Amino acid sequence: QVQLVESGGGLVKPGGSLRLSCAASGFTFSDYYMSWIRQAPGKGLEWVSYISSSGSTIYYADSVKGRFTISRDNAKNSLYLQMNSLRAEDTAVYYCARASYSSPRWFDPWGQGTLVTVSS
Amino acid sequence: DIQMTQSPSSVSASVGDRVTITCRASQGISSWLAWYQQKPGKAPKLLIYAASSLQSGVPSRFSGSGSGTDFTLTISSLQPEDFATYYCQQANSFPFFTFGPGTKVDIK
Repeated sequence: QVQLVESGGGLVKPGGSLRLSCAASGFTFSDYYMSWIRQAPGKGLEWVSYISSSGSTIYYADSVKGRFTISRDNAKNSLYLQMNSLRAEDTAVYYCARASYSSPRWFDPWGQGTLVTVSS
Repeated sequence: DIQMTQSPSSVSASVGDRVTITCRASQGISSWLAWYQQKPGKAPKLLIYAASSLQSGVPSRFSGSGSGTDFTLTISSLQPEDFATYYCQQANSFPFFTFGPGTKVDIK
């Protein structure tokens, strides 16, 4: 079945870096746009970044532009998020999500999430 | 940026009740709206897309309506497994998506 599994979260100091990974299975990964979406503890959902199926087109939310880098390896069925210059406000559960094939504006499914905590 | 609001922020309801949640966009978004359900400690799940299309596998008691700036999610007969938080998401400003703040449905 379709599955997304995130990893790489943890505790990091302000100004530090972290790389998240998302392993995809059960579908043809290279056919789908993918996204990272985050949720601060007890808060709502915030879209972070979006990458086209080939990786040639990338978008970021203003809140992470210049600090985060999304990438993918279609040969490894994997999505990544390199996070640099981390701030306390980046503390959140980070979800990877697959965009719909017919209209890449909706997200289904989502991974289980990985928690990133930025604190000294 | 398109801002999304939801009302109410929380609702207490009983099994069998009809529940309606409203989502409003700060500007017209046509039908580019989705609804998600999130249970505690779990990832969001897509329920409705394009304002009124039911995602495969989602029970028919869920329905969506609206266009432009005002949208509703209706649960026709609330079931025990429906107690969760519901989020709307606008996709008009693709791919700069924004979500509503959520509506928590809990047990009366």
